[in-house]
Amino acid sequence: AQKVTQAQTEISVVEKEDVTLDCVYETRDTTYYLFWYKQPPSGELVFLIRRNSFDEQNEISGRYSWNFQKSTSSFNFTITASQVVDSAVYFCALSEDGAYSGGSNYKLTFGKGTLLTVNP
Amino acid sequence: DGGITQSPKYLFRKEGQNVTLSCEQNLNHDAMYWYRQDPGQGLRLIYYSQIVNDFQKGDIAEGYSVSREKKESFPLTVTSAQKNPTAFYLCASSRDRLLTGELFFGEGSRLTVL
Repeated sequence: AQKVTQAQTEISVVEKEDVTLDCVYETRDTTYYLFWYKQPPSGELVFLIRRNSFDEQNEISGRYSWNFQKSTSSFNFTITASQVVDSAVYFCALSEDGAYSGGSNYKLTFGKGTLLTVNP
Repeated sequence: DGGITQSPKYLFRKEGQNVTLSCEQNLNHDAMYWYRQDPGQGLRLIYYSQIVNDFQKGDIAEGYSVSREKKESFPLTVTSAQKNPTAFYLCASSRDRLLTGELFFGEGSRLTVL
């Protein structure tokens, strides 16, 4: 079973629109970490945020915000007033402690990514 | 500037040839990783190393080999046994051996088999 699902393969918006990227994860562990990374056309992945399973507070960083809901196993990412420079592939990822899942906290499991295109 | 350097950026290989991708970091990180990225497939872990002279297979290690003789270097060899080697390869490192913190990535190496 896929552990990190990003159901949106591609999203296209016009500049200044708000956009939400969905991430649903699956784990039986009580301790885990969730991440979002951005991959611009240059190819290098850039870290955006990390959340541990015990901290359900939403976070805002400038135009970016994240909504972590354990009840629905989701960790969604919203960009407010999108800009052309936000165009990239965005990845959600999971690190588990492996106590119940058989997973590992020595590696990240990535979703397949969402390609966001922001048009001027 | 601290970071991860991958080379070459683009590489072409004939079928049946081995090729080695370089990954060097000056972040003084213990852990290093190799990921493979295919279109629409996300990133899949090939090998990882948590300490010098030690490394572990990831999810798709067949047809690949690595070494970790120095803390700053983690080269990946794509052997002729790898059935479908054309892909984008990303090297990463992390401060912690346990992935509670962020990964730092290089700019990637794009391998094309002719």
